Amino acid sequence: AQSVSQHNHHVILSEAASLELGCNYSYGGTVNLFWYVQYPGQHLQLLLKYFSGDPLVKGIKGFEAEFIKSKFSFNLRKPSVQWSDTAEYFCAVKPQTGGYNKLIFGAGTRLAVHP
Amino acid sequence: SAVISQKPSRDICQRGTSLTIQCQVDSQVTMMFWYRQQPGQSLTLIATANQGSEATYESGFVIDKFPISRPNLTFSTLTVSNMSPEDSSIYLCSSGAVKRDEQFFGPGTRLTVL
Repeated sequence: AQSVSQHNHHVILSEAASLELGCNYSYGGTVNLFWYVQYPGQHLQLLLKYFSGDPLVKGIKGFEAEFIKSKFSFNLRKPSVQWSDTAEYFCAVKPQTGGYNKLIFGAGTRLAVHP
Repeated sequence: SAVISQKPSRDICQRGTSLTIQCQVDSQVTMMFWYRQQPGQSLTLIATANQGSEATYESGFVIDKFPISRPNLTFSTLTVSNMSPEDSSIYLCSSGAVKRDEQFFGPGTRLTVL
């Protein structure tokens, strides 16, 4: 069965530190890839997405993610985090071929940024 | 993007009762979905709400426990029936457009079953 793995459940950083959140998926076919963010007390929002083309995609608030097909990975990065980036981050994959074409979410990574 | 609202935002219910959650989208959408997010876990898809026909349930979820209605392209309800403490969770409504392959999420309904 398809699955999405996020390597870190909790990450604690100081402001201005660099961020990289890992995401790997298990599916051999074509996929669309997403990162969602949930700020405290708010609903889930789309941070960025990859459908095709340049594997380095840029999202809102200075976030970017790189799709590496050979590694089945879609890691999220930000060069310098801010306190306001404190949130939970979810990687999600949507297979484009085969019988199951629904969003599959990872378990989430809770990021805390300290001033 | 679509703006999604849910009612109620939270509720505390007694074991054995049922709760119906409403989801309203501000525009007509092709797809509507219901998810569950249990404490400390990721989002799990319960079912796809189909307009004009029965919902399509994911493995492990059944219509008797989670009946769903979708009377039109902007509205859906999810009922959590015969609740037990294990049903305590956040229930999220989501909508999407097939062409754009994006999904938007409501604020969620936080359910606690005593």
